[in-house]
Amino acid sequence: GAGVSQTPSNKVTEKGKYVELRCDPISGHTALYWYRQSLGQGPEFLIYFQGTGAADDSGLPNDRFFAVRPEGSVSTLKIQRTERGDSAVYLCASRGARGPLHFGNGTRLTVT
Amino acid sequence: AQKITQTQPGMFVQEKEAVTLDCTYDTSDQSYGLFWYKQPSSGEMIFLIYQGSYDEQNATEGRYSLNFQKARKSANLVISASQLGDSAMYFCAMSPYSGGGADGLTFGKGTHLIIQP
Repeated sequence: GAGVSQTPSNKVTEKGKYVELRCDPISGHTALYWYRQSLGQGPEFLIYFQGTGAADDSGLPNDRFFAVRPEGSVSTLKIQRTERGDSAVYLCASRGARGPLHFGNGTRLTVT
Repeated sequence: AQKITQTQPGMFVQEKEAVTLDCTYDTSDQSYGLFWYKQPSSGEMIFLIYQGSYDEQNATEGRYSLNFQKARKSANLVISASQLGDSAMYFCAMSPYSGGGADGLTFGKGTHLIIQP
């Protein structure tokens, strides 16, 4: 595969529901990042994985947000009891040993 | 804590003119990296250019160059000979390391650039 793949591209859910957002990084990239981008803002860091472990989860806003990367490749961002304020574009990025982040096209989450 | 400031929310530029997008940063770290990303309406963040805090030469990548003024803590992006396809959001970002990696990127709010024919 060429770039970072994120699915779904759009997700509409009702307040209070649980959602999962998937990220498939570039093959061989050990580092994986999740960012959240609200309308009119730059991306905000959520969590960073090096391999299977979360090396830095300081950006997760609260305990409703959780992310996993069980085999060191695909990652899933999980949001419990969604709130309208969670509506945003969720961006995933990966990188190799050095170099810049390569981003996916994002998942646009809308909580109604 | 690191902070990025982009003071131009929007810019209109005539095609083929040069464009300078402003970026100032604040950090207490001695070692850091500065990045510019382009985000077209499709939403993907596209890496443009990188400057390490210890790099003495300004970075250049094709039509993109980074005007790095360390004492002023500025890292402006210059696009030469602008094209209609340059219309997009542009984000300045920094990381706490200067080795070319991108751990813990902090982004600015972006500048919406529109190139007019």
